[in-house]
Amino acid sequence: DAKTTQPTSMDCAEGRAANLPCNHSTISGNEYVYWYRQIHSQGPQYIIHGLKNNETNEMASLIITEDRKSSTLILPHATLRDTAVYYCIVRVAGVNDYKLSFGAGTTVTVRA
Amino acid sequence: NAGVMQNPRHLVRRRGQEARLRCSPMKGHSHVYWYRQLPEEGLKFMVYLQKENIIDESGMPKERFSAEFPKEGPSILRIQQVVRGDSAAYFCASSPPAGGDNTIYFGEGSWLTVV
Repeated sequence: DAKTTQPTSMDCAEGRAANLPCNHSTISGNEYVYWYRQIHSQGPQYIIHGLKNNETNEMASLIITEDRKSSTLILPHATLRDTAVYYCIVRVAGVNDYKLSFGAGTTVTVRA
Repeated sequence: NAGVMQNPRHLVRRRGQEARLRCSPMKGHSHVYWYRQLPEEGLKFMVYLQKENIIDESGMPKERFSAEFPKEGPSILRIQQVVRGDSAAYFCASSPPAGGDNTIYFGEGSWLTVV
């Protein structure tokens, strides 16, 4: 059973913020939310992860709802190079949880 | 700090030949994972290794596939007697030792084409 649900696809205008939602209503207390993306013909690229607080790094921001049942990945100023499949994954941040479940993800297309 | 390094990036093999894919983890990482992505499908876990040990190979096909991570040198994913259905992208990933942030980082992949 999928632990996360994401929209199949979304379009975004270049230079605008891209907000990618993810539902994880069955998340456990010790599970983190991880985001990866896969640009065509490349390997999955780690973006960001968080437990319950909002997180920000040089690539993106992650907003997690207070009940932790959903989250949003924000790409603040999307560029054409951000066109990719984005995966929202929940996992325990420990070495025993390594079978990452890559679902279908959200195909994000950034348009000029 | 170099990322996860995989080679070759692209490999073409005839049916029945052997394919060897190599992976060097990120510096300081002692855990290596192999995933496979079949055409138009998602990534699937294959095997988890530490130095000289296979920890979990539950995702590996029972025949023809093997993996190792020797004390010295890269991790190797070996596919014997390749068939057309083995054509896929094979991704290696690594993470630090247990404790602390153990985010898993992926390499750029090795694309195997069996003709």
